[in-house]
Amino acid sequence: QSALTQPASVSGSPGHSITLFCAGTSSDVGGYNFVSWYQQHPGKAPKLMIYEVTYRPSGVPARFSGSKSGNTASLTISGLQAEDEADYYCSSYTRSNSHVFGTGTQVTVL
Amino acid sequence: EVQVVESGGGLVQPGGSLRLSCEASGFPFSTSWMTWVRQVPGTWPEWVANIKGDGSIKNHVDSVKGRFSVSRDNAKNSLYLHMNNLRVEDTAVYYCGRQNEGGSIDYWGQGVLVTVSS
Repeated sequence: QSALTQPASVSGSPGHSITLFCAGTSSDVGGYNFVSWYQQHPGKAPKLMIYEVTYRPSGVPARFSGSKSGNTASLTISGLQAEDEADYYCSSYTRSNSHVFGTGTQVTVL
Repeated sequence: EVQVVESGGGLVQPGGSLRLSCEASGFPFSTSWMTWVRQVPGTWPEWVANIKGDGSIKNHVDSVKGRFSVSRDNAKNSLYLHMNNLRVEDTAVYYCGRQNEGGSIDYWGQGVLVTVSS
């Protein structure tokens, strides 16, 4: 199972919006509504930010939102804040009854 | 308060064995899917294995099939990863987590480092 494809880096200014993309196939992202997004700060465990494509766990700010179109999932961060600077990974359930992560995007707040 | 704590990591020679443990509290462990994820520092996470609450279903990533085995002891609120015939490429931080219905991992441990080297 190959990793999902994410751009290596994205940057934005405080208060602006950015969108991260996660490209998969019909065997994973496109085939199931089981896409998740995780935020990871250096030296820390990943933190769940979005699950089942669009849902936010309790405690995650509303400026984080998720969507999907075909084989590509997206995470939008609106009103970018300094603490949003981190690595972001997408993940999807796969046809082979496993899970696959994306290659990760480093978000920089300018 | 939810707590997930891994233990058992360390340095092991290629071909060696190791057992990771994960003790959880603060959520209904015996009815929760649990999962292992590993991450080589500086790279993306890799899903390794998961197990249903009653232990009746187990799944492993192809790269560890036949070498690693996930198990659990619900009486001890504990999850295990038995790792045999370890390879240099198994070197990573191993995380334990609770997997919810949609496959997302909503509770994570702090991770434990496994180093396979001669």
